[in-house]
Amino acid sequence: AQSVTQLGSHVSVSEGALVLLRCNYSSSVPPYLFWYVQYPNQGLQLLLKYTSAATLVKGINGFEAEFKKSETSFHLTKPSAHMSDAAEYFCAVSGDKIIFGKGTRLHILP
Amino acid sequence: KAGVTQTPRYLIKTRGQQVTLSCSPISGHRSVSWYQQTPGQGLQFLFEYFSETQRNKGNFPGRFSGRQFSNSRSEMNVSTLELGDSALYLCASSLVQGRDTEAFFGQGTRLTVV
Repeated sequence: AQSVTQLGSHVSVSEGALVLLRCNYSSSVPPYLFWYVQYPNQGLQLLLKYTSAATLVKGINGFEAEFKKSETSFHLTKPSAHMSDAAEYFCAVSGDKIIFGKGTRLHILP
Repeated sequence: KAGVTQTPRYLIKTRGQQVTLSCSPISGHRSVSWYQQTPGQGLQFLFEYFSETQRNKGNFPGRFSGRQFSNSRSEMNVSTLELGDSALYLCASSLVQGRDTEAFFGQGTRLTVV
């Protein structure tokens, strides 16, 4: 069975500060992991994905994530937050279907 | 290239009615998945279709059904609507089936049951 847990349903950071959104996974097979972003009244957009190549994955809009097998983690980071980053972020693991975490809503403080 | 198109965007129905939602995948994509998104339960997998065949199904009652046509367009139907069916229904298309295949999402259909 596969699952993902996102720590923190709401995260607030100041504009220009580091963004860190946490995701831990559980998978009985080598995982394929994804981060998606959802803006209000929109569908989900893929930020980045890990498919067992490089452990540090770079995505769109300056985001990146590091796969750490020993910690079963796939945390999402961005060095400097921008107001346009305010959205909900979903971590997901892919098996016979994509399993999503509960989501983390990112608030950017001016 | 057009993205995933879901129609209608918004829908209001009365308890007991039935509803049909439509999803047109990206041209050339053969896999279509449906998800229900609610504030309490998050994103929950409904079902996946590939080449007109249902390949996978989530834990939803039989009132939820779907189908895929030969042009890969998909519909989902919910019969005997309940208040708890109010949600954002998202459709995602993929080029093929596969664990590392990116899913492209539509904007969703917001269903409100009153």
